[in-house]
Parts: sequence; C-alpha cells; structure tokens
Amino acid sequence: QSALTQPPSASGSPGQSVTISCTGTSSDVGGYNYVSWYQQHPGKAPKLMIYDVSKRPSGVPDRFSGSKSGNTASLTVSGLQAEDEADYYCSSYAGSNNFYVFGTGTKVTVL
Amino acid sequence: QITLKESGPTLVKPTQTLTLTCTFSGFSLSTSGVGVGWIRQPPGKALEWLAFIYWNDDKRYSPSLKSRLTITKDTSKKQVVLTMTNMDPVDTATYYCAHRPSDYWNAVHYFDYWGQGTLVTVSS
Repeated sequence: QSALTQPPSASGSPGQSVTISCTGTSSDVGGYNYVSWYQQHPGKAPKLMIYDVSKRPSGVPDRFSGSKSGNTASLTVSGLQAEDEADYYCSSYAGSNNFYVFGTGTKVTVL
Repeated sequence: QITLKESGPTLVKPTQTLTLTCTFSGFSLSTSGVGVGWIRQPPGKALEWLAFIYWNDDKRYSPSLKSRLTITKDTSKKQVVLTMTNMDPVDTATYYCAHRPSDYWNAVHYFDYWGQGTLVTVSS
C-alpha cells in the first residue's frame, strides 16, 4: 500500500488561501468518502481538521474546508493566519485489507 | 474528556521486540464501534498507520508490517498494547495511539483524539 501523494510544501500570505492536494487511487481516495486531514505543529500530535472528505469537527474554524474529485482530495485553508503554519497530512480508508493510508505530508508556510 | 498516553521503552536494540502500551480514559473499548489505532512517524518524515483494534477485538494490520505486529486490548485496564518484533534502526520513530469514535448510523474512519506520542530509538 503506497502513501498518498501530497506536495511537499505550500505557502501563502496572511489572509490568502492555500489548497493542498492529496492524490491516491481508486482503492483508497477514489473508492471511499473517508478522507480525513490532520494538522501537526512541530513536536505536537496530529489534530483532526476534516473528516469524511468535507466535515469539520467541532471547534475547527470554517476557514478549513475539504473536497474530493476522483482520486484526488483537497484541503483549502482560507484567510490564512500565522497559526495555520504547520504540516498537514491527509488520510484515507483503503478497504478492509489495507485499512488506512496516510499522505506524504505538506508543510504550509505563512509568508 | 478523552485522553490517551503512550508508554514504553525509549531505546531498544536491533532484533529486540518493542512493547508499547496505550493507556486511555474518557471512553470504553467495550462500546460498539469504538476503536484504537497505532500510528508512527520517523523523525522528519510522514505518518504511517500500523494497527487497529475494534471494540469487539477484531484487528487490522498494515500489510507491510503485519508479520511483525500484534495488537491487543485490556478493556478493564483501559489499555491497548502494540508489540513489534525484530526491531531495526529504520523503526526509530514517534509512536502514537489514537481514538476512533463510533457512530450508530455511519461508518467511521478517522482518529479524533491522539496521544502525545512516545519516541522510540532503535540502536545498539
């Protein structure tokens, strides 16, 4: 089971938007609406930001949104803020045998 | 509130077996649909899912590591244990345990609470 592909980095100025892609296959991202996104600050545990492609847990700002088209999911952070600077990982359910797969991670920099 | 905490050795030698314990509170692993997973992260690298155990003791393992992993639970102690055999320096990583919630109406495939992680170094 290969990791989902994310761009290594993305950046934007405060107030701007940044979109991160997460590309998998029809066996994971494309086959199920079970894509989740996690934010990780240095030295900290991952934090759930989006689940089931586009749902936000309670407490996550609505600046964070998710979508999916075919085998690629996307996370958009609108109105970038300094505290959004972190690593972001996507994850997808991949069926009963492979179960879960994570992405390669994207470092978001707020310029 | 839900909390999880990983514990175990910080240093293991190559070929040894690693045993990590996840002690949790705020939920029961006997509740239908609930599960606990283990995920690791080598220094400076990406997250990698390792294993998962359901409330009903059903288990899932990463295909690439399946032969080396065993996950068990002790519901009364509120603990989940992961063992990994034949440790190698490439297994040096921070190991996390995480809670997967239940939903009566829908399947759940995400982790909403994570432990702080424990760094395990494999070196002779």
